Amino acid sequence: NAGVTQTPKFQVLKTGQSMTLQCAQDMNHNSMYWYRQDPGMGLRLIYYSASEGTTDKGEVPNGYNVSRLNKREFSLRLESAAPSQTSVYFCASSRGLADKNIQYFGAGTRLSVL
Amino acid sequence: ELKVEQNPLFLSMQEGKNYTIYCNYSTTSDRLYWYRQDPGKSLESLFVLLSNGAVKQEGRLMASLDTKARLSTLHITAAVHDLSATYFCAVDSTSGTYKYIFGTGTRLKVLA
Repeated sequence: NAGVTQTPKFQVLKTGQSMTLQCAQDMNHNSMYWYRQDPGMGLRLIYYSASEGTTDKGEVPNGYNVSRLNKREFSLRLESAAPSQTSVYFCASSRGLADKNIQYFGAGTRLSVL
Repeated sequence: ELKVEQNPLFLSMQEGKNYTIYCNYSTTSDRLYWYRQDPGKSLESLFVLLSNGAVKQEGRLMASLDTKARLSTLHITAAVHDLSATYFCAVDSTSGTYKYIFGTGTRLKVLA
């Protein structure tokens, strides 16, 4: 019953460092998403992948890149971290646009950029 | 541009009372969702509403959708402490560029 697994759970970076957040789902879902959550701003979509082999920008894509490695895995990369990227990051997956598209979320990654 | 607004942002209520959370969205949407988030935790799906007039209920929570008014409500009946959480509505739309947009959330605190 793993669902959506994110790693790491916590990370502290210095400005300019790079890192990759990993996400994997075991529900055979077609679509995957990356969000950031900041106080008072709800969840904002960074990137999504409607299906394996495709990725598209969301509301706030600047400073991030993604890779849909296969159907199970969707990674988020920060090439040069900035303090403004301090946030909680959530990965989610869903069956896809043709279905009810309920999203299932991972536990989140708490990232601090100093 | 698809925008989703919730009100109130914060809600403190006594146990046993009723209240409603409102979710307004700006453009045509295919589906309307409600999620719950406990402090420091992830989000869990509560309801998905697919058509005008749709109503879903589970326990003390009831969600409804009016697509003509672009409005969804989450009604809480006889609140209990366990309902304390942040509630988010979200909409998605396949019109034009696909979007899945969350509201800012309503932080609910139920006082004993």
